[in-house]
Amino acid sequence: DAGVIQSPRHEVTEMGQEVTLRCKPISGHDYLFWYRQTMMRGLELLIYFNNNVPIDDSGMPEDRFSAKMPNASFSTLKIQPSEPRDSAVYFCASSRIRATDTQYFGPGTRLTVL
Amino acid sequence: GDSVTQMEGPVTLSEEAFLTINCTYTATGYPSLFWYVQYPGEGLQLLLKATKADDKGSNKGFEATYRKETTSFHLEKGSVQVSDSAVYFCALGGGSNYKLTFGKGTLLTVNP
Repeated sequence: DAGVIQSPRHEVTEMGQEVTLRCKPISGHDYLFWYRQTMMRGLELLIYFNNNVPIDDSGMPEDRFSAKMPNASFSTLKIQPSEPRDSAVYFCASSRIRATDTQYFGPGTRLTVL
Repeated sequence: GDSVTQMEGPVTLSEEAFLTINCTYTATGYPSLFWYVQYPGEGLQLLLKATKADDKGSNKGFEATYRKETTSFHLEKGSVQVSDSAVYFCALGGGSNYKLTFGKGTLLTVNP
């Protein structure tokens, strides 16, 4: 299997711009997760989906962040407008049957907001 | 709620030294326990896991035993290599939360 695919791998943008991160989970996996990793806060779960439906978005920092999963093979995380404090590595992960099963992580998107 | 506490890093060892990274947890029910590893510039990947008490997970020379009596899942390796330099995360799943709970991570540096 190809593994979890994320794009872009690196994104540099200016404050106030819209940013869209993309994820393709492993085929057949029912769960998809978005995480954010920073030196200060470590690894944080932002939101996760089960069968394309958002289940828990309590980790989404504020209304500037939104996530969608229009089908089983694609998800987006959007930040609008972006701010310098959003600079981080964003990971997408998927798991097969349960949210507590082994999660398979993508390579991450390194976002820098200037 | 569920929580994971792992030893603070960074940990610096010489090649062929013995490694222990401590991990303890608090959870209700019967969680599964995991160790993930993150190499520089990459995403997390599963290193090993255990799904019930007394199970031992092992992979690439690393081992960890699920100890319910001490609520621990310590990671060990008998002889580390430079290529083991990475951040190691302990995690639990299936307690009271319907998601994985990760520790803060421990940075390991192995010098030749």
